[in-house]
Amino acid sequence: GEDVEQSLFLSVREGDSSVINCTYTDSSSTYLYWYKQEPGAGLQLLTYIFSNMDMKQDQRLTVLLNKKDKHLSLRIADTQTGDSAIYFCAESIRYSGYALNFGKGTSLLVTP
Amino acid sequence: GAVVSQHPSWVICKSGTSVKIECRSLDFQATTMFWYRQFPKQSLMLMATSNEGSKATYEQGVEKDKFLINHASLTLSTLTVTSAHPEDSSFYICSAGTLAEGVDTQYFGPGTRLTVL
Repeated sequence: GEDVEQSLFLSVREGDSSVINCTYTDSSSTYLYWYKQEPGAGLQLLTYIFSNMDMKQDQRLTVLLNKKDKHLSLRIADTQTGDSAIYFCAESIRYSGYALNFGKGTSLLVTP
Repeated sequence: GAVVSQHPSWVICKSGTSVKIECRSLDFQATTMFWYRQFPKQSLMLMATSNEGSKATYEQGVEKDKFLINHASLTLSTLTVTSAHPEDSSFYICSAGTLAEGVDTQYFGPGTRLTVL
């Protein structure tokens, strides 16, 4: 499928906020997701947003959706060293059930 | 929360052999399971969608005769890489789909690393 674009790398200091950006491709995607992958581990669903929403907040996570620009962002407040991981943005693929089209992932490094 | 397991977690095999990978949903039933492939520093690429009791739907460019998928029950799907070659070496990840709070959600297995010598 077409590419879901993400910046590849982000480094922040502990306690700062992190913002990971994503541009998706399918304007008809029903849901957009953020997954976290730690080294050697499977993907963990962090949060999702329905396409008719602009914003969703879940504890330290804030998801913003700009449907017009097909832009999705994930903000992590008070970033901790345990947040260091690869973060994948994904859009639902309507033609294939609810399979997902993933971005390449953003490696987040949190330094003390 | 929903748990999906994969077995084996890693496998090394000789070129020309076949390898079977199992994907199980441990605490829920999944009518649909998905198989992805992930190359180093790359995204997950969807290989096929597997529905219980029916033939899998393969994505364009994925050879159905090479990657055999069986979804015999609501908790088990298998991927068999037939006549594996070094270029098949990759990280294979399955996911199982279910409704969670009304949202179509996939829960991912931990992945299987295949190395073909």
